[in-house]
Amino acid sequence: DTAVSQTPKYLVTQMGNDKSIKCEQNLGHDTMYWYKQDSKKFLKIMFSYNNKELIINETVPNRFSPKSPDKAHLNLHINSLELGDSAVYFCASSQEGFRAGVANEQFFGPGTRLTVL
Amino acid sequence: AQSVTQPDIHITVSEGASLELRCNYSYGATPYLFWYVQSPGQGLQLLLKYFSGDTLVQGIKGFEAEFKRSQSSFNLRKPSVHWSDAAEYFCAVTASGTYKYIFGTGTRLKVLA
Repeated sequence: DTAVSQTPKYLVTQMGNDKSIKCEQNLGHDTMYWYKQDSKKFLKIMFSYNNKELIINETVPNRFSPKSPDKAHLNLHINSLELGDSAVYFCASSQEGFRAGVANEQFFGPGTRLTVL
Repeated sequence: AQSVTQPDIHITVSEGASLELRCNYSYGATPYLFWYVQSPGQGLQLLLKYFSGDTLVQGIKGFEAEFKRSQSSFNLRKPSVHWSDAAEYFCAVTASGTYKYIFGTGTRLKVLA
């Protein structure tokens, strides 16, 4: 069974279009994340949701809008796509455990390679 | 400022040779440290993690890492590298009470037959 899944795996689109990437996790985790990995492999956090609530919102253009309909899903919608949005987008999840003495790893999806032409 | 530095962008080793990948962090709170591996076209997979206790931690695939607080380092090691270890390796840090992970820029490992 796939723990964290993303669709689509590849997404090629024109500048100015609006697109969505979906993420689902079947691990029962409370927290989900979106990361952007650029061409140099640099991994930067974009958003994080805990129990459907936004808890991390990094400096990301407001063209990017995450939506979490339930704990198991975190989708990413991007409006007015730009060339610079081309990257691999990773979804991840972790069990909330940031209490004393607990460190929980993140489980990553396979990534969505977005190419904006 | 919080940061993770992986000084080596690329490392090439021969199969069977030993490996050490460097990671240095700067973090105000007690750090929780991780190493992840990313094979081509794949997501990241956890190799090992450290948050307390024994400073030498064992992970999957024969990897280990040592936490050295005095040097702010968490270097990854493997005594004998296999061709299948060729991948990108990421060091990451977080802390208790935060949901935010900070990743290093990665080290690409190439293994020569």
